[in-house]
Amino acid sequence: GENVEQHPSTLSVQEGDSAVIKCTYSDSASNYFPWYKQELGKGPQLIIDIRSNVGEKKDQRIAVTLNKTAKHFSLHITETQPEDSAVYFCAAPNGPLGYSTLTFGKGTMLLVSP
Amino acid sequence: DAGVIQSPRHEVTEMGQEVTLRCKPISGHNSLFWYRQTMMRGLELLIYFNNNVPIDDSGMPEDRFSAKMPNASFSTLKIQPSEPRDSAVYFCAISKGSGTDTEAFFGQGTRLTVV
Repeated sequence: GENVEQHPSTLSVQEGDSAVIKCTYSDSASNYFPWYKQELGKGPQLIIDIRSNVGEKKDQRIAVTLNKTAKHFSLHITETQPEDSAVYFCAAPNGPLGYSTLTFGKGTMLLVSP
Repeated sequence: DAGVIQSPRHEVTEMGQEVTLRCKPISGHNSLFWYRQTMMRGLELLIYFNNNVPIDDSGMPEDRFSAKMPNASFSTLKIQPSEPRDSAVYFCAISKGSGTDTEAFFGQGTRLTVV
């Protein structure tokens, strides 16, 4: 099955700085990579995803980049705000698309200090 | 979160007791997942249903765990007998299609404490 490694496990930044979270995956056939944000006491929520036919995708202050050759993808948050503080999870499909499931990274706790 | 209602939100039980966690998904999503979240192991998939049929239960840790989905709007996860190491937050999630290339909507979770 898929193996997803996520780094760092914790990340502290000052408000306004950028934050980068990186993930690697093992299955070269994987072609869908979502990122989820989990706030305290809530379930994870999708914030952005990317498919393997593109190398980068942006949505306002959030962007995801994908390097299929190296089998890694990253989440970039610019101009961080205190409300960005949460746990972020990357994920990759566990098997070919169809009847398969997602494998999640262990998560990154992001703390944005005012 | 409004698309998936989980109950109870918190459950404290004694070791050896039976625990039943409930999930009520909104209609139109034919994939349903049960996850367990702990600090040590992160988010682990326990079981995956598609069109109410269990497709992958390889994540169910032991025979003490069982899950059912009698219809499209209800699913349960049962632990019998419960043990302290089962303490975790259990999430139910839904998505359309097969579930791996579309957004998954998570409930708010059930925090289970087994003492």
